[in-house]
Amino acid sequence: AQSVTQPDIHITVSEGASLELRCNYSYGATPYLFWYVQSPGQGLQLLLKYFSGDTLVQGIKGFEAEFKRSQSSFNLRKPSVHWSDAAEYFCAVAPSYNTDKLIFGTGTRLQVFP
Amino acid sequence: DTEVTQTPKHLVMGMTNKKSLKCEQHMGHRAMYWYKQKAKKPPELMFVYSYEKLSINESVPSRFSPECPNSSLLNLHLHALQPEDSALYLCASSQVSGEQFFGPGTRLTVL
Repeated sequence: AQSVTQPDIHITVSEGASLELRCNYSYGATPYLFWYVQSPGQGLQLLLKYFSGDTLVQGIKGFEAEFKRSQSSFNLRKPSVHWSDAAEYFCAVAPSYNTDKLIFGTGTRLQVFP
Repeated sequence: DTEVTQTPKHLVMGMTNKKSLKCEQHMGHRAMYWYKQKAKKPPELMFVYSYEKLSINESVPSRFSPECPNSSLLNLHLHALQPEDSALYLCASSQVSGEQFFGPGTRLTVL
């Protein structure tokens, strides 16, 4: 069965520090991969997506993610975190033939200290 | 317009009430979704309308019923809800085989 694992439930970083949020997936073929961000009580905003091609994907708000097929990973990175990045981050996967079947990880809560 | 809108933002209802949540998109997307999200949990898919066909998560109780009046609108009718149905209800839309765009959600409280 398809699954998504976000090993870190809660991460705390200082403002200006670098960030990496981990995401591992289990799927028989290369899926479509997504990172979403959610501020408290708000909807989900798409940060970036990977469908095919270059394995380093640039997104909004200075985020990037790298798809590593050998490790079944799609980690999210940002070189310098801002206080406004504090939020819940969800990794998600979907079969390339049907993105209706979006499977979310359990999320990582990011806290940013000044 | 790259927005999915949802109304109302907040809704409080009793267990005997009937209410509806509304979702609208003007991106020409052919698929629309309803998700339920409890606190500190990821969204759970409830319903999908794709090319005018409804797909249902079998675990969703019948007190929730979706309606798709046209390709831009998706409603969720609520009847005889239970307190455990209190959650954030999210609507999303997508092109077929594309990324999903989410609305801001409706915070539902069932008393």
